[in-house]
Amino acid sequence: AQKVTQAQTEISVVEKEDVTLDCVYETRDTTYYLFWYKQPPSGELVFLIRRNSFDEQNEISGRYSWNFQKSTSSFNFTITASQVVDSAVYFCALSGPRSGYSTLTFGKGTMLLVSP
Amino acid sequence: KAGVTQTPRYLIKTRGQQVTLSCSPISGHRSVSWYQQTPGQGLQFLFEYFSETQRNKGNFPGRFSGRQFSNSRSEMNVSTLELGDSALYLCASSPGVDPANEKLFFGSGTQLSVL
Repeated sequence: AQKVTQAQTEISVVEKEDVTLDCVYETRDTTYYLFWYKQPPSGELVFLIRRNSFDEQNEISGRYSWNFQKSTSSFNFTITASQVVDSAVYFCALSGPRSGYSTLTFGKGTMLLVSP
Repeated sequence: KAGVTQTPRYLIKTRGQQVTLSCSPISGHRSVSWYQQTPGQGLQFLFEYFSETQRNKGNFPGRFSGRQFSNSRSEMNVSTLELGDSALYLCASSPGVDPANEKLFFGSGTQLSVL
């Protein structure tokens, strides 16, 4: 069975601090996909990134960066110089052939609070 | 390009009633998935429809059902509502064809309250 663990339930930082959100996953699939989504108070899940299991290159997009380490089954997300608008719940998710590539297994989410 | 549209945004029902939620996917997307979000259980997959056929199903009782129409619009139905069905129901659409390029785009959800 697939499982995604986000051990941090809530993180509070002050604006301009860097923050890392942890994600650890379990799967028996050899090919799988990892995702991060952001959920602001409006409720809509906003897609941030998708990573293939065979591509361990780290990725940077503006203030966001992702560190994928297959050896430790982790896919961590770092926000550099956090801003108040980053306050939201962030979800890590996993999909694979056993469950269906259009079916996501989500972690419980990490609530990020960025104060001015 | 319009995003995923879910209606209604809010719904209040009483125990024992049934409810139908609607989802219009992004144009061109053939896969529609439904998820239930609650504070206790988090986000849980309900089912996925692709080209009018249920392709995957989560671990929910038969009271939860869905369907997809030829224009890819989807409806989800919950019969004999229970208090525990109170949740945010999120719909997601995706192309559903190429796993290497599969990304799910979510709507704002329908907040269902069962009294």
